[in-house]
Amino acid sequence: DQQVKQNSPSLSVQEGRISILNCDYTNSMFDYFLWYKKYPAEGPTFLISISSIKDKNEDGRFTVFLNKSAKHLSLHIVPSQPGDSAVYFCAAKSSGSARQLTFGSGTQLTVLP
Amino acid sequence: DSGVTQTPKHLITATGQRVTLRCSPRSGDLSVYWYQQSLDQGLQFLIQYYNGEERAKGNILERFSAQQFPDLHSELNLSSLELGDSALYFCASSVRWGQGSDTQYFGPGTRLTVL
Repeated sequence: DQQVKQNSPSLSVQEGRISILNCDYTNSMFDYFLWYKKYPAEGPTFLISISSIKDKNEDGRFTVFLNKSAKHLSLHIVPSQPGDSAVYFCAAKSSGSARQLTFGSGTQLTVLP
Repeated sequence: DSGVTQTPKHLITATGQRVTLRCSPRSGDLSVYWYQQSLDQGLQFLIQYYNGEERAKGNILERFSAQQFPDLHSELNLSSLELGDSALYFCASSVRWGQGSDTQYFGPGTRLTVL
């Protein structure tokens, strides 16, 4: 029972273009969503988050959009850089819990120079 | 560098053995989370401690246990190891407990290989 789904295992984008990573969730109790980036042999690194009371949050080149009615969120990276090549995990926290993270399976982003 | 440290980086052991993984949270963080990343299950929550007390359990096997000490470091004990326990084990820490806006910062992980 996958409550957080990232249906694209991989994505390739040209340097300077926009990268769009998608995530769907099924649990209506999720009220906080996060994106983490992970390089090989390292732990996940926090990128950006969004509360369920918002529909957009921006931090530099990274913007997260939340569509609650569709139970969908996306991460936009503009412009994409080769250093952005990594695995991106979508994660969610449930209200009324210890706030542990439920992760998606990840999307490997490759930014081509 | 997230400020979360984990030791050892790599661990190779045999089936049936017991190992201890150690985590030191970021300075000032009271919550520690343990996660397991395996090839077939992805990143899964195991257990959480806040200021020395267990607060939540996830998909943690009965052969596994953890604790958080007064200095806030945490240890994850894995016993009667099986081949399927081979995975990356991550520790994360956050300042508080129960807050949605509280960000979890991850350590570099311990890679466990059971032969």
